[in-house]
Amino acid sequence: DQQVKQNSPSLSVQEGRISILNCDYTNSMFDYFLWYKKYPAEGPTFLISISSIKDKNEDGRFTVFLNKSAKHLSLHIVPSQPGDSAVYFCAAIIQSGGGADGLTFGKGTHLIIQP
Amino acid sequence: NAGVTQTPKFRILKIGQSMTLQCTQDMNHNYMYWYRQDPGMGLKLIYYSVGAGITDKGEVPNGYNVSRSTTEDFPLRLELAAPSQTSVYFCASTPGTVYGYTFGSGTRLTVV
Repeated sequence: DQQVKQNSPSLSVQEGRISILNCDYTNSMFDYFLWYKKYPAEGPTFLISISSIKDKNEDGRFTVFLNKSAKHLSLHIVPSQPGDSAVYFCAAIIQSGGGADGLTFGKGTHLIIQP
Repeated sequence: NAGVTQTPKFRILKIGQSMTLQCTQDMNHNYMYWYRQDPGMGLKLIYYSVGAGITDKGEVPNGYNVSRSTTEDFPLRLELAAPSQTSVYFCASTPGTVYGYTFGSGTRLTVV
């Protein structure tokens, strides 16, 4: 059973507009969430993260929102740029448990930025 | 800085053959991980290690073995390759902080 779900396999957004990528989780023990970006033939690279004690974290054009009661988080990219075209993975971990046993990933959303 | 280096980048194996996927990191990270990514799926944890001499199973360990004799190296061994092991394999390391995962560029393995 998937504990981290990204229900949109792909998303197409016009350059300059806002991209919103969604992620849901089922395990209420998760207390730290991360977004990774992946280009073809490369490994994932860390983008932004949020602790469960916060509801928002911002880094430049990227903002992650967390709604704990709904077990939902979203990644906002404003404004979207052509270089943002990639696969975005949502990941979660039980940090309070030490976190040594790794991240749990969603299936990813392929973001396509159209000129 | 090299970061996390994986070799080979591509490999085709015949059913029943064995091979070792190499992973080396030069950041002195204690924690290392092996993930596999199947088409259209997220990354699934195969094995992990919290330090030299210590390894543990992840979500999908069957058909694989690991060892961690040094901090730098974390090889993944496939014994008796099966078509179900066709996947892209990623190695990652972290100093222990959740936001410090560094991934290698992956090994694309095809078993025919």
